[in-house]
Amino acid sequence: KNEVEQSPQNLTAQEGEFITINCSYSVGISALHWLQQHPGGGIVSLFMLSSGKKKHGRLIATINIQEKHSSLHITASHPRDSAVYICALHTGGGSNYKLTFGKGTLLTVNP
Amino acid sequence: DTGVSQDPRHKITKRGQNVTFRCDPISEHNRLYWYRQTLGQGPEFLTYFQNEAQLEKSRLLSDRFSAERPKGSFSTLEIQRTEQGDSAMYLCASSLGGHGGELFFGEGSRLTVL
Repeated sequence: KNEVEQSPQNLTAQEGEFITINCSYSVGISALHWLQQHPGGGIVSLFMLSSGKKKHGRLIATINIQEKHSSLHITASHPRDSAVYICALHTGGGSNYKLTFGKGTLLTVNP
Repeated sequence: DTGVSQDPRHKITKRGQNVTFRCDPISEHNRLYWYRQTLGQGPEFLTYFQNEAQLEKSRLLSDRFSAERPKGSFSTLEIQRTEQGDSAMYLCASSLGGHGGELFFGEGSRLTVL
């Protein structure tokens, strides 16, 4: 079993729809990242969470440490939101830690 | 500072050749990471530096791979005797110390081995 699982793998939505992408993990973490990757490779960090909820514009990220689950929500989706969304875990502690990445969710928002 | 930069952005090489990628992190960031991403997969951790010290290496990093960060600033990733399986996007990221600091990624260096 992978340490981090994302669902769905692919998601197609119409412009304006509310979107949810889920991330479940099976290990202890110090933080969880949501990342956005556009075609061509560039990755942008959207959120880093260790508890609770964060909001930035139309994006909302939540995490439930007890249930080992995080969600990324996009309100009023737009075609420019089309990208791969990746959940990544910080495991371990101290100065030695690494990121474990999910395989990503490919989001396509149609006009 | 314009963020993390990687060079070259694209590299096409013949099998058996050596290639070197460079990453310039955000200047005050002491942590630097290399990841590899193949098509349709999430990035995989390769190695991690804190300042000039290489603190962790993945088992993915075979003997043909070596990474350095000689002065704790830029880093290089060298692949010797490239194989077709090395074809991937090589991503660099940096962060400022502290527990789980926010990561800033470069645009990546895409390697194609013919």
